[in-house]
Amino acid sequence: AQKITQTQPGMFVQEKEAVTLDCTYDTSDQSYGLFWYKQPSSGEMIFLIYQGSYDEQNATEGRYSLNFQKARKSANLVISASQLGDSAMYFCAMRGTLSGGYNKLIFGAGTRLAVHP
Amino acid sequence: EAQVTQNPRYLITVTGKKLTVTCSQNMNHEYMSWYRQDPGLGLRQIYYSMNVEVTDKGDVPEGYKVSRKEKRNFPLILESPSPNQTSLYFCASSFKGQGFYEQYFGPGTRLTVT
Repeated sequence: AQKITQTQPGMFVQEKEAVTLDCTYDTSDQSYGLFWYKQPSSGEMIFLIYQGSYDEQNATEGRYSLNFQKARKSANLVISASQLGDSAMYFCAMRGTLSGGYNKLIFGAGTRLAVHP
Repeated sequence: EAQVTQNPRYLITVTGKKLTVTCSQNMNHEYMSWYRQDPGLGLRQIYYSMNVEVTDKGDVPEGYKVSRKEKRNFPLILESPSPNQTSLYFCASSFKGQGFYEQYFGPGTRLTVT
């Protein structure tokens, strides 16, 4: 069965410091995708970053990078130079398998990040 | 502007009173789905649709119905809501395929069933 595990229910970080949010996954598929989403208190889901299972380099998007360790089945999100606006819930998700297409997302339980001034 | 819209955004209702949450996308996406978000559980898929008139159950379909009569619309129907359906609901859409196709999420509908 495909599964995403986020073991940190809550994290806090000082402004301007880096923080790593953990994500491990379980799948028997050879081809899969890993996503991170941010959910601020307003509730919307904001796509942050994507890593394909065959991508050789770790994905980066501005201050976000994904530390992809395929053998360990981990896809940790690193936020550099944290800002107060980074305070939010963060979800790790994996593209699951559906017949005829591969767009089902399987989500972890989320990590709530608080950035302190 | 490319977007997924949901209505209503907030709804308080009583047990057993049928309701419909609408979802519409303007990106010509084949794939649409509904998720519910509950604390400690993340988002779980309720139903999905690969195209017009093609729908199937997700992980938590009990108590819900959907239809896909037009490509842009994918309403979620609760025929007889119960308190355990109190949740935050998201509609999402994307192109279909194996590659990286970003899922666009609607703004969410917060439903309370008393």
